[in-house]
Amino acid sequence: QKEVEQDPGPLSVPEGAIVSLNCTYSNSAFQYFMWYRQYSRKGPELLMYTYSSGNKEDGRFTAQVDKSSKYISLFIRDSQPSDSATYLCAHGAGGFKTIFGAGTRLFVKA
Amino acid sequence: GAGVSQSPRYKVAKRGQDVALRCDPISGHVSLFWYQQALGQGPEFLTYFQNEAQLDKSGLPSDRFFAERPEGSVSTLKIQRTQQEDSAVYLCASSLLRADNSNQPQHFGDGTRLSIL
Repeated sequence: QKEVEQDPGPLSVPEGAIVSLNCTYSNSAFQYFMWYRQYSRKGPELLMYTYSSGNKEDGRFTAQVDKSSKYISLFIRDSQPSDSATYLCAHGAGGFKTIFGAGTRLFVKA
Repeated sequence: GAGVSQSPRYKVAKRGQDVALRCDPISGHVSLFWYQQALGQGPEFLTYFQNEAQLDKSGLPSDRFFAERPEGSVSTLKIQRTQQEDSAVYLCASSLLRADNSNQPQHFGDGTRLSIL
C-alpha cells in the first residue's frame, strides 16, 4: 500500500461546478497536509497548507482534513478553465521528508 | 526573479554520459530539496540540504546520483553514467526553516526535463 493514495482521474467538469478532490493516507504520523497545483511543464505551486483537522478556506478553495479517517479533501468552488491542472496532495511528519500523491488531473470545460 | 530557478530546462543525453543539473533557491532559504518526478506521478523525494549539510539522501536511487550544495545556496544534482530509467523531471524546492527546525512549505522550480537516449 502506498503511503498516499490519490485517484489519478482525469476528472472533467463544466465551468462553475464544485470540484471535490480527495486523498487517503496510511501513516498516522503525518502532521501537516498540503495541496499543490501543477500546470503542464511547470513546478508544483502551493495552494493550501494546514496542520489540524477541520476546514481551511482560501478564496474559492477549501481544504478539509479528517485525521481520524486519514482522509483529506480539496474543494474548488465556481471552477474556472484556468483551474485545469494536476492537483497533488502532500503530507509530512515533521522533519523534512514530504510524501506526495500521484496527482489528480482536472479539466474544467468552458 | 524571486522564485526557485533551475537550469537547464531541458537536457538530452546519451546513455552512459554524465549530467549536472543546477538549482538556485530563493535567497535566504535554508532548506533545499531535490525530487524526481516520473510521467504521471507525483514528485519523489531524493535528498535534502540544510545550508551546506546534506541531512538526508535516502531517496537517491543509486550511487550514480550525487548532490552538493557547497556554499549553502546553489545546489547541483549530478548523475553519472546515465541510464534510460533516469529519464524524468528533476525538481528542486526550497523553504525557510522554523525555530523548531521544521520546514515551512516548499517553493518549487519548474524543473529540468531529462531525457536519456
